[in-house]
Amino acid sequence: AQTVTQSQPEMSVQEAETVTLSCTYDTSENNYYLFWYKQPPSRQMILVIRQEAYKQQNATENRFSVNFQKAAKSFSLKISDSQLGDTAMYFCAFPSGGGADGLTFGKGTHLIIQP
Amino acid sequence: DTAVSQTPKYLVTQMGNDKSIKCEQNLGHDTMYWYKQDSKKFLKIMFSYNNKELIINETVPNRFSPKSPDKAHLNLHINSLELGDSAVYFCASSQVLAGGSDTQYFGPGTRLTVL
Repeated sequence: AQTVTQSQPEMSVQEAETVTLSCTYDTSENNYYLFWYKQPPSRQMILVIRQEAYKQQNATENRFSVNFQKAAKSFSLKISDSQLGDTAMYFCAFPSGGGADGLTFGKGTHLIIQP
Repeated sequence: DTAVSQTPKYLVTQMGNDKSIKCEQNLGHDTMYWYKQDSKKFLKIMFSYNNKELIINETVPNRFSPKSPDKAHLNLHINSLELGDSAVYFCASSQVLAGGSDTQYFGPGTRLTVL
């Protein structure tokens, strides 16, 4: 079974600082996708960034980037120049199996950006 | 245009009642999902539908029954509601690719409260 572990239940940083959220996973698959989703207080699930496992290059989306280490099964999210609007729950997610089996989510990290 | 929509957004009902939540996607995706988010924010897959066929059913009680009249709709019907069914239910959709499910797009969620 696939498992996803987020070891930081809550983190708090000052506005404009850089913060890294950790995620590890377990799989026997070789080709797959990995995702970070953000859930602000509005409860909408928003895709932050996506990584394809066969790509060596780490994905980047503006202030958001990942450090993907396939051998270590680690997929951390770095947020640079953090903003108040980044305050949210962040979930790491991984396909539960091949095809259409849905995503397995980590338990989430509650990130608080302090002014 | 809303990509994935759900109705209603809030649902308050008495124990023992039967209720339905509707979901529609206009992204042309071939797979739709239902997730349950509990009071601790943990997200878990309940069902997925691919081309109108049920793919998985993750140990969900048979009081829950997904119904997909066509590729763009996946409704969730719940019989004999129990207190433990109180949660936020998310609908999502994606296109399944060779490497697994591509990005899942989520609806706004339905907060179900059973009294």
